[in-house]
Amino acid sequence: TQLLEQSPQFLSIQEGENLTVYCNSSSVFSSLQWYRQEPGEGPVLLVTVVTGGEVKKLKRLTFQFGDARKDSSLHITAAQPGDTGLYLCAGKGQTSGSRLTFGEGTQLTVNP
Amino acid sequence: GAGVSQTPSNKVTEKGKYVELRCDPISGHTALYWYRQSLGQGPEFLIYFQGTGAADDSGLPNDRFFAVRPEGSVSTLKIQRTERGDSAVYLCASTSNPGGPLHFGNGTRLTVT
Repeated sequence: TQLLEQSPQFLSIQEGENLTVYCNSSSVFSSLQWYRQEPGEGPVLLVTVVTGGEVKKLKRLTFQFGDARKDSSLHITAAQPGDTGLYLCAGKGQTSGSRLTFGEGTQLTVNP
Repeated sequence: GAGVSQTPSNKVTEKGKYVELRCDPISGHTALYWYRQSLGQGPEFLIYFQGTGAADDSGLPNDRFFAVRPEGSVSTLKIQRTERGDSAVYLCASTSNPGGPLHFGNGTRLTVT
């Protein structure tokens, strides 16, 4: 079983601060996705990274895939209250077919 | 266009009862996934369909859980002899690209009393 560990589990910050959340595994993933989930709703895709070392930017969000494709990070610049939510990483393993394995998530709260 | 629809949105049942949870995927999406999510946790994989067949059911916790997708569109997750530990949000997702980005429904919150 391929496990994804996310850290921190909880993060509470003030509006305007920067933050980074991490997604780590001992396994290699052929691709990795980041989702954001709000209460009472399903996760919504933010980005997919495929190539080791890849960096993708989505407005104030920067996603990086590790060179060895075992880890990823999400950096948010100048966080806003609207960024509040559960951030989930999900990996497609090299031997797991089309099954996506999710991490436990990072619950982010941005206070105004 | 319409997204993934799950019904009911909430289901309360007594221990030992049988329940069915329904998922209507996005039209044309050949792959359909079921996940289970407990409070404060990430989604846990249950089963994945490609067309009408279950391509990977390795996440089903035991033989009380069963899922079908007879016509390659709507799917039903069936749970027999429910237990309190089955209480969770059951999420359905579909995609046109297996292993690629998933489009999730809002889930069915199952409570077993």
